[in-house]
Amino acid sequence: EDQVTQSPEALRLQEGESSSLNCSYTVSGLRGLFWYRQDPGKGPEFLFTLYSAGEEKEKERLKATLTKKESFLHITAPKPEDSATYLCAVQAPSNTGKLIFGQGTTLQVKP
Amino acid sequence: GAVVSQHPSWVICKSGTSVKIECRSLDFQATTMFWYRQFPKQSLMLMATSNEGSKATYEQGVEKDKFLINHASLTLSTLTVTSAHPEDSSFYICSARKSLNTEAFFGQGTRLTVV
Repeated sequence: EDQVTQSPEALRLQEGESSSLNCSYTVSGLRGLFWYRQDPGKGPEFLFTLYSAGEEKEKERLKATLTKKESFLHITAPKPEDSATYLCAVQAPSNTGKLIFGQGTTLQVKP
Repeated sequence: GAVVSQHPSWVICKSGTSVKIECRSLDFQATTMFWYRQFPKQSLMLMATSNEGSKATYEQGVEKDKFLINHASLTLSTLTVTSAHPEDSSFYICSARKSLNTEAFFGQGTRLTVV
């Protein structure tokens, strides 16, 4: 069964304390893995797309990496404004464009 | 990134009435749009896939007659919650993709409260 599992469910960091969020997936034939940020009461905001193992993408304090079984979202020296829920999704194998989402990791960065 | 606009951002309606939510892709054409529902502290639950010019494809367990989806143009999809009841109160979000292999862009969501 195609599945996406994110860990941890919640993460509290002090400002400047780097860490990583994990997204494990099982899907037959990965056609894309996506990271989103969601603030309370808002729609998800696109961050990164990764297509193949070994690929890396960076944006400010965030860096996403991909292996054959999982993806990591590394947060370097986070700031309070990085507090949000981070969602990981993979493209479903069917040609429908559906995304399979993980449950998300809620990050809180304290000053 | 591309812009997807959802309207209204929030709506309060009386039980038994219908509510329409609009989703527009502002700077690209989207042959496929998606409608999600999100419960507090939970991830997105796909309700249906909306295809321009054809009937929507609903996920298992989603009532087609309650959640009417229309995708009349390449930039507009609508979700109508018919005969709304308090249990329909939720956060509804749409998304659109330029193609089936590119990232999805999401609207800002609509908070529906049925009283």
